[in-house]
Amino acid sequence: HSALTQPASVSGSPGQSITISCTGTSSDVGAYNYVSWYQQHPGKAPKLMIYEVSNRPSGVPDRFSGSKSGNTASLTISGLQAEDEADYYCSSYTTSTTRVFGGGTKLTVL
Amino acid sequence: QLQLQESGPGLVKPSETLSLTCTVSGGSIISSSYYWGWIRQPPGKGLEWIGNIYYTGSTYYNPSLKSRVTMSIDTSQSQFSLNLSSVTAADTAVYFCARLGAGGYSSGWYDYWGQGTLITVSS
Repeated sequence: HSALTQPASVSGSPGQSITISCTGTSSDVGAYNYVSWYQQHPGKAPKLMIYEVSNRPSGVPDRFSGSKSGNTASLTISGLQAEDEADYYCSSYTTSTTRVFGGGTKLTVL
Repeated sequence: QLQLQESGPGLVKPSETLSLTCTVSGGSIISSSYYWGWIRQPPGKGLEWIGNIYYTGSTYYNPSLKSRVTMSIDTSQSQFSLNLSSVTAADTAVYFCARLGAGGYSSGWYDYWGQGTLITVSS
């Protein structure tokens, strides 16, 4: 399974909303509702933000939401804040019983 | 609070075997709900899934690395390990260990991560 496809970069101003897409195939993203999203600040370990497409772990602000349509999953951040500036990665389970990550998206808060 | 800590050599010579250990504290490594995994990140690049191991020793590996990867688990020491053989410069990366959270292997998500350790392959 090739890496899931994410835009290299997205940007937005404080208070705005942005959406990061994660495109896979019918063998991964499209096959199951097993997509998760991770936030990574420079030099830090990734942090779980969304699991099973749209569920937020305890402690993650409700400004973060996830969805899926067909082979594409999306992460939406509303009310952008300066601390949201980071790299974001999607991940999916696959029909080959493996896991795959997206290439990552750098979010810049202008 | 569950904590994971990677340990390893830092520098490995080309063609040799990279060996890393992840020590789990603040919780049990023996659980029917969780798997344990390794993920790596080359400098300036994205995350790459390496594989997962269950407390019983069953494993799942990335097909692109499968011929060189071996994972093991020592429940008495609350540790799991990664061996990657015949390394090249392309294996230079930060290696993270992580817990694949509740939901089962297929639906699970990585909810706890180690801080990561940089492994450089160079002579």
